[in-house]
Parts: sequence; C-alpha cells; structure tokens
Amino acid sequence: NAGVMQNPRHLVRRRGQEARLRCSPMKGHSHVYWYRQLPEEGLKFMVYLQKENIIDESGMPKERFSAEFPKEGPSILRIQQVVRGDSAAYFCASSPEGGENSPLHFGNGTRLTVT
Amino acid sequence: AQSVTQLGSHVSVSEGALVLLRCNYSSSVPPYLFWYVQYPNQGLQLLLKYTSAATLVKGINGFEAEFKKSETSFHLTKPSAHMSDAAEYFCAVTPYSSASKIIFGSGTRLSIRP
Repeated sequence: NAGVMQNPRHLVRRRGQEARLRCSPMKGHSHVYWYRQLPEEGLKFMVYLQKENIIDESGMPKERFSAEFPKEGPSILRIQQVVRGDSAAYFCASSPEGGENSPLHFGNGTRLTVT
Repeated sequence: AQSVTQLGSHVSVSEGALVLLRCNYSSSVPPYLFWYVQYPNQGLQLLLKYTSAATLVKGINGFEAEFKKSETSFHLTKPSAHMSDAAEYFCAVTPYSSASKIIFGSGTRLSIRP
C-alpha cells in the first residue's frame, strides 16, 4: 500500500521561473494538506483541499501561490515567478477524512531550491 | 487560536538515558495533541496522539506522552534512549471543533551520544 507520493524530491528553479510540486495521496484518502518547512523551523500550514475544492487556504501567500486537487490526478502546488525566499521543503499530507481523529500521513517532501 | 511551544530546539542525551522533550500548548477549546518524528530527508511520521480518551498516551518505538491540563503540557518521554531515536520531533495541536489543519511547533532535534 503506497504511502503519500511526492515528486520531484528535489527541484531547482531560477528566479522568475515556475515551480510545480505534485502530490498523490494515499489510496482511499480524499483530503490533502500542503505544508512548508523553512530551514530550522517547523511546518507551516498552507492549504487544505478535498477533491475539486479548496477548504482552507489561510496559510497560502496571497500572490504567486496556488493549489488544486482535481477529480483525477495528483494535487498540484504551483509557485509562479519564484524568488529565493521560496526555497524550502514542501510537504504534502493526506487523510481519509478531515476529522481530528484522522492523523495525517506525510510524503517525503519536495525540496525546492531557487537560485 | 491554537499554538504549541517546544522548549529547547536541541536536546542531547546519552544512549540509555531518559528522553524528555517538552511541549506546551495554548488552546481556547479542548485540544487534540500529536507528536510527530521526522528522520533526515523524510516526511513526518505520527508517534502518538491525544484525543481525550486517556491522559497518558503510549506511542510507537517506546515513546509516551502525558496530557496535563493544569500545566497545559504534553511532554514526550522515553525511558531509555536508543541511537535510532536521533531525529527531529514535532509537537502539534488541532482544535477540537475544526481539524482542517494541524499547527506544528518549531521542533526539537534529539541527538543521542554513544
């Protein structure tokens, strides 16, 4: 039973380019969460999605960042016109439902480096 | 609003010694509390969770945590450290009424001395 799959594991982009991070949740999971981890810091919530719906995007920067979880296919976190400050590890997590008794299952993350 | 504070960004103990990682929470409603572990270059793995059923929670790998409402604490302990316990540990909280997101602490890096 495959866990949460994120790709790529490492992504290098030059300033101004676009970054696309993909996340396939665990089988049977319909809730996806994106977190960002800056060096020496904890994880910061970005966005919570269900299939075709954004439930909570209170942690998403207002500009350049967007997320989707289409009916078919993986969830995508897109960062347009990347800047050096976007360099971080981005983690995706999934759960079968959004309740508090549903622990999150994390992927191994995508490490974005902006040069 | 909910938050967690982890005291000590880095803890070092000798192999076989007691492990104590501190976490204090702030929540206006009864919280659900978690401890996660992160090994290098990996995602987070759930160690244990408190969901109000019992104040002493046992998790994987010999870890346990005790919920103390009077102290607003949820410290993580293990009686005897093993070299394989070296990792980053995160305390997290989610509000009772809404589990749409989990709030993480800044993490404590645990090092084990031979």
